[in-house]
Amino acid sequence: DAGVTQSPTHLIKTRGQQVTLRCSPISGHKSVSWYQQVLGQGPQFIFQYYEKEERGRGNFPDRFSARQFPNYSSELNVNALLLGDSALYLCASSLGQERLATDTQYFGPGTRLTVL
Amino acid sequence: GNSVTQMEGPVTLSEEAFLTINCTYTATGYPSLFWYVQYPGEGLQLLLKATKADDKGSNKGFEATYRKETTSFHLEKGSVQVSDSAVYFCALRSYNFNKFYFGSGTKLNVKP
Repeated sequence: DAGVTQSPTHLIKTRGQQVTLRCSPISGHKSVSWYQQVLGQGPQFIFQYYEKEERGRGNFPDRFSARQFPNYSSELNVNALLLGDSALYLCASSLGQERLATDTQYFGPGTRLTVL
Repeated sequence: GNSVTQMEGPVTLSEEAFLTINCTYTATGYPSLFWYVQYPGEGLQLLLKATKADDKGSNKGFEATYRKETTSFHLEKGSVQVSDSAVYFCALRSYNFNKFYFGSGTKLNVKP
């Protein structure tokens, strides 16, 4: 079975532009989460979606938005890019079973975004 | 609030040495705790997890015990190998399952 896939692999943008990152979860997984990993730091939680609804949100500005589609794939959008948005953006999928402590996240390889 | 603190690296060990990577957490309620590993050039992989106090997670010779009284989840391995060289992340999932928090990562270098 295919793991979590993300596209594109790398992306270069300039300040003020907008970017869309894409994620396809593992087949059968209904939950997708997005993380930002700045070089040398741990991943920072941005969003979690389950059954097309936002279930959780981290401390990120409104420039960051996401959505989940009926096939459970997801997009992360970032508007008005800043230099500080340069990072590896990780997507993770899980079964998303409500209140199931054993629900495990599986991570994709990430999209490396560089803002110039 | 919720947060995870893990020891700074890099940690450099000789092959077959004993490994401990410290992780402590601050959380509301009863979180689930995880260790993830990131090998060079690869994505994050779940190493082990524990979902309630006194649970011990284990995998590939690594172990960690969920200690509520000390709010800790230290990672241990009795005999490390060169192939264990990677960055290790301690993580917490909030009690209501909708937010996740990662530590800053600890880089492990194992020399032959």
